[in-house]
Amino acid sequence: EAQVTQNPRYLITVTGKKLTVTCSQNMNHEYMSWYRQDPGLGLRQIYYSMNVEVTDKGDVPEGYKVSRKEKRNFPLILESPSPNQTSLYFCASSANRDRGRGEQYFGPGTRLTVT
Amino acid sequence: AQSVAQPEDQVNVAEGNPLTVKCTYSVSGNPYLFWYVQYPNRGLQFLLKYITGDNLVKGSYGFEAEFNKSQTSFHLKKPSALVSDSALYFCAVRDDTGRRALTFGSGTRLQVQP
Repeated sequence: EAQVTQNPRYLITVTGKKLTVTCSQNMNHEYMSWYRQDPGLGLRQIYYSMNVEVTDKGDVPEGYKVSRKEKRNFPLILESPSPNQTSLYFCASSANRDRGRGEQYFGPGTRLTVT
Repeated sequence: AQSVAQPEDQVNVAEGNPLTVKCTYSVSGNPYLFWYVQYPNRGLQFLLKYITGDNLVKGSYGFEAEFNKSQTSFHLKKPSALVSDSALYFCAVRDDTGRRALTFGSGTRLQVQP
């Protein structure tokens, strides 16, 4: 089954404790992206990756890092989480064919709480 | 900068009646428009998209959307609502640059009453 998976699905942590949220897709997609969803704000892009070893900032990159060492994986790293990073996080992927105009496939989300 | 507006936080409709969820957008260049649906505790599911071509786009679960360039709108419609359509709906736009970032509206909660 074609899918985007994220782990963990739920995470409660404390300020300053480094964490990683993993994202993996099995559709051989070149493009991957991270979003955060906050009430009343919709989804906002954090980082994106056009292909392996190619990453760039989205609209709200502060406090986050990413890496893209393999095509299927795109982990989101919070080096020193703060309470304002409490949010629902989504990973997404899409293919580069059709000039990249296809829809993005979303993972199930990771609900992060930072106390 | 691109933006999306969903003017209604919630839309209520009776089962069997037609539904419309409104969306207007702003983007420089050609717009790529999408509708996604989110059920409780689930990720976003793709419904339909407009890239080019016919202004009326048909998608999953009987939904359709009409692209109106002059009004910069992309309203989601369904002729006959089902209770199971109750969910959170997001309109999104992206431009035709390489960043491919989707800009989402704030979402509209659709409530279909039996």
